[in-house]
Amino acid sequence: SQQGEEDPQALSIQEGENATMNCSYKTSINNLQWYRQNSGRGLVHLILIRSNEREKHSGRLRVTLDTSKKSSSLLITASRAADTASYFCATSQGAQKLVFGQGTRLTINP
Amino acid sequence: KAGVTQTPRYLIKTRGQQVTLSCSPISGHRSVSWYQQTPGQGLQFLFEYFSETQRNKGNFPGRFSGRQFSNSRSEMNVSTLELGDSALYLCASSFPLAYQETQYFGPGTRLLVL
Repeated sequence: SQQGEEDPQALSIQEGENATMNCSYKTSINNLQWYRQNSGRGLVHLILIRSNEREKHSGRLRVTLDTSKKSSSLLITASRAADTASYFCATSQGAQKLVFGQGTRLTINP
Repeated sequence: KAGVTQTPRYLIKTRGQQVTLSCSPISGHRSVSWYQQTPGQGLQFLFEYFSETQRNKGNFPGRFSGRQFSNSRSEMNVSTLELGDSALYLCASSFPLAYQETQYFGPGTRLLVL
């Protein structure tokens, strides 16, 4: 079963708007990572946030982590057409593997 | 630094056949993980190898196996293929521990079983 559950499953916005997607998980984690996947290709790592961190930034990306609620959010500001992709959260729990959510499919409309 | 490479990129097989997929990690990376991605089940962990040893395994039948060589290159094998094995198989490498650090993914091998 998937550890992470992304919400929403699909999101369509206009170019220039901000996109927010959420991830919830079930057990305690070591860290949480966000990945992007373009149309059936390999995943690209975006950002890693450790369990003792609450917020992290990377360019137009902002990730928050609330371990008390077992949730994380990814904010993409000033979206571009090139941001169209599927976004996955992945958690590591102590078992030596990453567990991925089902992903959020983001579409940026020009 | 060259990224993770996977060969072949596309493969068509028929039921009952077996298939071997190859993955070359980023130079210096010793951990290689394999994932299966399907529209219905999403991304599922198959197994992880570190220094030629399988360190972790997902919930897949024994038809799925793998190995890692001394140069960290890895192969996965699927025997007696079933229609449901049609998927994108992704390999990822990392250093030093897969579950703690960033994983770098290859482009994947798309397998179609007819």
